[in-house]
Amino acid sequence: SQTIHQWPATLVQPVGSPLSLECTVEGTSNPNLYWYRQAAGRGLQLLFYSVGIGQISSEVPQNLSASRPQDRQFILSSKKLLLSDSGFYLCAWSDQGLTEAFFGQGTRLTVV
Amino acid sequence: GENVEQHPSTLSVQEGDSAVIKCTYSDSASNYFPWYKQELGKRPQLIIDIRSNVGEKKDQRIAVTLNKTAKHFSLHITETQPEDSAVYFCAAASGGSYIPTFGRGTSLIVHP
Repeated sequence: SQTIHQWPATLVQPVGSPLSLECTVEGTSNPNLYWYRQAAGRGLQLLFYSVGIGQISSEVPQNLSASRPQDRQFILSSKKLLLSDSGFYLCAWSDQGLTEAFFGQGTRLTVV
Repeated sequence: GENVEQHPSTLSVQEGDSAVIKCTYSDSASNYFPWYKQELGKRPQLIIDIRSNVGEKKDQRIAVTLNKTAKHFSLHITETQPEDSAVYFCAAASGGSYIPTFGRGTSLIVHP
């Protein structure tokens, strides 16, 4: 069966520090991969999605970047965190086509 | 791109009552409409979905209806229970991009 791993679960980082959140999927190949940010009262905001290795699409201009170095690995990064980057970050995957998205456990990021 | 509006943002009901959450979408090409439930501190999980070739789908106490002409779809929960308390998200996706666009979420509170 397929599983998705996202870590860390919580993270407290100072302003200006770098960020790296990692997400891996097991049990499937060539998945669509997504990074969402969930701020209070604002639902699920799509940050990046990827349909294949090295293929990244960004939905909103921001201080973050994403990479997909391997088929089932998706990384969210920042060189210098801002206070406004605080939030709950969710990685997700889906099969190609119109199907259910499966979410990771999420990372609660607090920038101080 | 797709725009999904979801109402209400908060819904408070008594145990045993019905709850209805409504969503509208803008892209007439959208043809996949999933609903996700997110319990406090947990990841969103699919509870039901509907595709554009059907108008209604039921799964025990949960039903979803779709009106493609009006571009709106709704989630109906009957005989609500305290464990139904959660945030519910609707989403829409099309065969063109497969990327789901989410509504802002509805916080459902079921009072015992």
